[in-house]
Order: sequence, then C-alpha cells, then structure tokens
Amino acid sequence: AQSVTQLDSHVSVSEGTPVLLRCNYSSSYSPSLFWYVQHPNKGLQLLLKYTSAATLVKGINGFEAEFKKSETSFHLTKPSAHMSDAAEYFCVVSDAGGFKTIFGAGTRLFVKA
Amino acid sequence: EPEVTQTPSHQVTQMGQEVILRCVPISNHLYFYWYRQILGQKVEFLVSFYNNEISEKSEIFDDQFSVERPDGSNFTLKIRSTKLEDSAMYFCASRVGLAGGPLGGELFFGEGSRLTVL
Repeated sequence: AQSVTQLDSHVSVSEGTPVLLRCNYSSSYSPSLFWYVQHPNKGLQLLLKYTSAATLVKGINGFEAEFKKSETSFHLTKPSAHMSDAAEYFCVVSDAGGFKTIFGAGTRLFVKA
Repeated sequence: EPEVTQTPSHQVTQMGQEVILRCVPISNHLYFYWYRQILGQKVEFLVSFYNNEISEKSEIFDDQFSVERPDGSNFTLKIRSTKLEDSAMYFCASRVGLAGGPLGGELFFGEGSRLTVL
C-alpha cells in the first residue's frame, strides 16, 4: 500500500530565497511520484513528475525534485522564491500500474516580501 | 489545451437531498477519478473508474455514492442523500494511462465543484 508524508504543514520563506518542501513516501512497487500545486480557489496543477527515468526532475516555474530511493524521499526545491509561488503544494504517489493515487496532507508555502 | 471541466462550480443543497456532480474528462483519457477536499484538509481519494466499472474505491465511498459514465463524454458522481459532512470541494480527474506506463500517468484535474450541505 502506498502512503505519503509531507513533513511540514507550513513553510515560510522570503522572496528570493530557496524553497524546500519535504516529502517522504512508501510504496510496495516502483512508484510514480508527482508534485501538484493549488492556488487559492483554484484546481490542481501538475508541477513535475518522476516515472523511473532521471532521478532529478525539472518542472514548471523553476521547480525541481530529486527522487532518492534510499531515503524514500522526493523533496521539492526552487532556488529563488517568487511571490506568485505562494500556494498549497501536494506530494502525490501512485504505484506503477495501480489505479489509486494518494495525496500527502499538503504544505502551504508563504512567501514574504 | 484540452482540460477537464466540472459543473456546477458551486452547489448548495439541503441535507438529505440528492446531488449529481458532472465532469467531462479529456477526450482520449481512459481512467477517471473523483477526489474530495474538505475545507482546510487533505485531498482524499474517492473512486477510480475504468472500462465502465469501478476499479478501486476508498472507505469514504460508501453506498451513498455512485459514479456513472452515461455517455461517451460525461462522468458523474451522485450522492444519494447528502449529509453535512459531505460539504467539500469535489475534484474530477482523468489520466490517459496508468502511472509507470509509457503515457506518463499524471492526473489532470478539473477546477472542482464546491458542495455546501445545509
């Protein structure tokens, strides 16, 4: 069975500083991992995905994530935060070939001017 | 760019009433999903649907819930007798292939339908 843990419910950074949103997962099979972003009163948008190709995955808006199997982690990073990055971020895991896709609890990112 | 569309965007209903939430998935997608998000809480899996039948469902998806693909384009979620705790944002999603497969496996989400039960 899959599960996903987002280690921080809230992260606050200053504009222009790096962002780190942490995610750990467990999965019985080779997982596919995703990060989605949700802006207030909006739907869920895919930021990036890992599907067993390169372990360092680049996404939209300057975000990237690294799959580390030994640590069962898939942390999301960005070198320099922008005000428009303020949103809720969800780490998502899906077993390969599985129908079920599970969301983490979410991390709300605040960006201070 | 193709997108998942959901209607209504917001519905207010009385407790005990039936509600149908509608979704039009992306046209070449084969796997369909409903998720819900109670205000301030996590996004919860409800059900997945493939080949005209439920492929997996969560413990939340009890006998009060049903899904249907009545024609080639719509995918609906019905709640037979709404309860106060059904108040949430309901998201429809679709994917062209399963995770780990050659088609990427990511879910494409609609903007959501906010259900308020009074």
